[in-house]
Amino acid sequence: NAGVTQTPKFQVLKTGQSMTLQCAQDMNHNSMYWYRQDPGMGLRLIYYSASEGTTDKGEVPNGYNVSRLNKREFSLRLESAAPSQTSVYFCASSELTPRDYGYTFGSGTRLTVV
Amino acid sequence: GEDVEQSLFLSVREGDSSVINCTYTDSSSTYLYWYKQEPGAGLQLLTYIFSNMDMKQDQRLTVLLNKKDKHLSLRIADTQTGDSAIYFCADPRGYGQNFVFGPGTRLSVLP
Repeated sequence: NAGVTQTPKFQVLKTGQSMTLQCAQDMNHNSMYWYRQDPGMGLRLIYYSASEGTTDKGEVPNGYNVSRLNKREFSLRLESAAPSQTSVYFCASSELTPRDYGYTFGSGTRLTVV
Repeated sequence: GEDVEQSLFLSVREGDSSVINCTYTDSSSTYLYWYKQEPGAGLQLLTYIFSNMDMKQDQRLTVLLNKKDKHLSLRIADTQTGDSAIYFCADPRGYGQNFVFGPGTRLSVLP
């Protein structure tokens, strides 16, 4: 049982380049999330998808887009990377509401923008 | 996570108890959570407490909730080197599609 799988694990981009972070879960969870983690700031929600076919903005959506490709997969795209997007990105999923069931997190993607 | 606060660092000796504290501002949450992040890994759900409880014990872990003061604590008894990690307090904020995480407390266990 793989849980939540993120690729790649590490990435270095030049300012202005684009890339897509991939996330897949095999737990048949309805909801999926993208967070970024910065030192001393906890995790901040970028986008989430409460169910297949829906996406909503979180706390820090600027500079990002998402696609809920199907129930399993939720990708995060940086169209024009900026140094401020250097961070560790976590994908998470939850059965229904994370309030009641908590999250299952992937192992993260460490992104550096130079 | 500005509405959930934690101290950033805690050092304890192996075998001692660790107490990690958290304060939050939203009083409507049904549950409050503790997550653990080991080096190079994602967050794992460690434990949670229902908002109508004062205390929850799970083996070496004890969670205390003071709703009046909006204070949550996690006590780890007989702390081991394997407990070294970052511990995050999390408040689901009502319906809970957007948890608010604290900044995390980095626990270092000294031999």
